[in-house]
Amino acid sequence: EVQLVESGGGLVQPGRSLRLSCAASGFTFDDYAMHWVRQAPGKGLEWVSGIIWNSGRIGYADSVKGRFTISRDNAKNSLYLQMNNLRGEDTALYFCARDSGWSDWYFIDYWGQGTLVTVSS
Amino acid sequence: QSVLTQPASVSGSLGQSITISCIGISSDVGSYNVVSWYQQHPGKAPKLMIYEGSKRPSGVSNRFSGSKSGNTASLTISGLQAEDEADYYCCSYAGSSINVVFGGGTKLTVL
Repeated sequence: EVQLVESGGGLVQPGRSLRLSCAASGFTFDDYAMHWVRQAPGKGLEWVSGIIWNSGRIGYADSVKGRFTISRDNAKNSLYLQMNNLRGEDTALYFCARDSGWSDWYFIDYWGQGTLVTVSS
Repeated sequence: QSVLTQPASVSGSLGQSITISCIGISSDVGSYNVVSWYQQHPGKAPKLMIYEGSKRPSGVSNRFSGSKSGNTASLTISGLQAEDEADYYCCSYAGSSINVVFGGGTKLTVL
């Protein structure tokens, strides 16, 4: 059974940093591209970032480019999102998600339950 | 960042059919056959319902179907059931510079 378990969320002040983690199990992690998708309270889904199997291609939404860094450790079956210079508009539930493909973005087939990030002073 | 356009809300009675549209542009929905649809119940993670425009994952009811014409993708739910009441999102790959885009979401109410 595919499982994606996010951690690392919490309350953080504007301008500070936070690192999210996603522990994957139930599948061969390095066979798949991975994504972070967020959902602000009461709002829709917003793609944040994606990374292919070997980290050879990485993409970011314009809203986070230059502030967020996605990475993965295939040996640890883990996905990460380093979030710097956080803003109030980054407040959201952050989902870790698996892509169906390995070398490009195709479609997301599995989602974690999310970790909540609240940016507030 | 482009956003796919969905109606904010749709409603239908039990047993009826509804269709949710997802309007993109030529560089996303129009160019790629990778439109996917997700169902999200309150407080839950999204669930894949349709991929590659019209394919259903194992375990998804055949009451859900998808199609695409030009820059518009559509999700049709037939034989509406109470448990279909949820938010629905379309998603598409949009090229190497924009990457992935979601629609704004449609709230389905089953009357």
